[in-house]
Amino acid sequence: IAGITQAPTSQILAAGRRMTLRCTQDMRHNAMYWYRQDLGLGLRLIHYSNTAGTTGKGEVPDGYSVSRANTDDFPLTLASAVPSQTSVYFCASSDSNLGADTQYFGPGTRLTVL
Amino acid sequence: GQNIDQPTEMTATEGAIVQINCTYQTSGFNGLFWYQQHAGEAPTFLSYNVLDGLEEKGRFSSFLSRSKGYSYLLLKELQMKDSASYLCALMDSNYQLIWGAGTKLIIKP
Repeated sequence: IAGITQAPTSQILAAGRRMTLRCTQDMRHNAMYWYRQDLGLGLRLIHYSNTAGTTGKGEVPDGYSVSRANTDDFPLTLASAVPSQTSVYFCASSDSNLGADTQYFGPGTRLTVL
Repeated sequence: GQNIDQPTEMTATEGAIVQINCTYQTSGFNGLFWYQQHAGEAPTFLSYNVLDGLEEKGRFSSFLSRSKGYSYLLLKELQMKDSASYLCALMDSNYQLIWGAGTKLIIKP
């Protein structure tokens, strides 16, 4: 693995179903982030993690949960999907979030909730 | 609060120069980033400015004026592969990125 990987690449999901988007990085970065990107809007932060074992809420956390059991993995869970969660989801990481470190992005997951 | 504005779309000609502007309002500032995003792909880092002035990196340059809440990305010798969206993002006092909606740049032959 080189960089950040996300799975699945795309998914069509029925409303009400539970879904976990996976994100793994091999850069040993401390900080990780989940964003959603919708047409006409900037990237919006859902949740973040400064280091393994800690998580925080971003701008649009409702309906989503995250965990950070180790440095490499940062899964995002939709407990009960709704159509407004249809979006492209990007995972990112940076060396830390205690400074102006560059964020590096995974390839994204395109999620459609019907 | 925080606000970032950039044009929705711009068109330029191959070989020419284009300037993409970004204006912002924020109560806390730890720098301004520019990212490039090709359609269907992830954003990739282009530049970072925290001090006033121009940062040059090959065909791309980025400028910042903190007092005016203004930045621009300058692309020279445009190539067809430069057709992409360009995202402006400011880093706030908590070191979180606040993103503009992006400027879609269309390059014509």
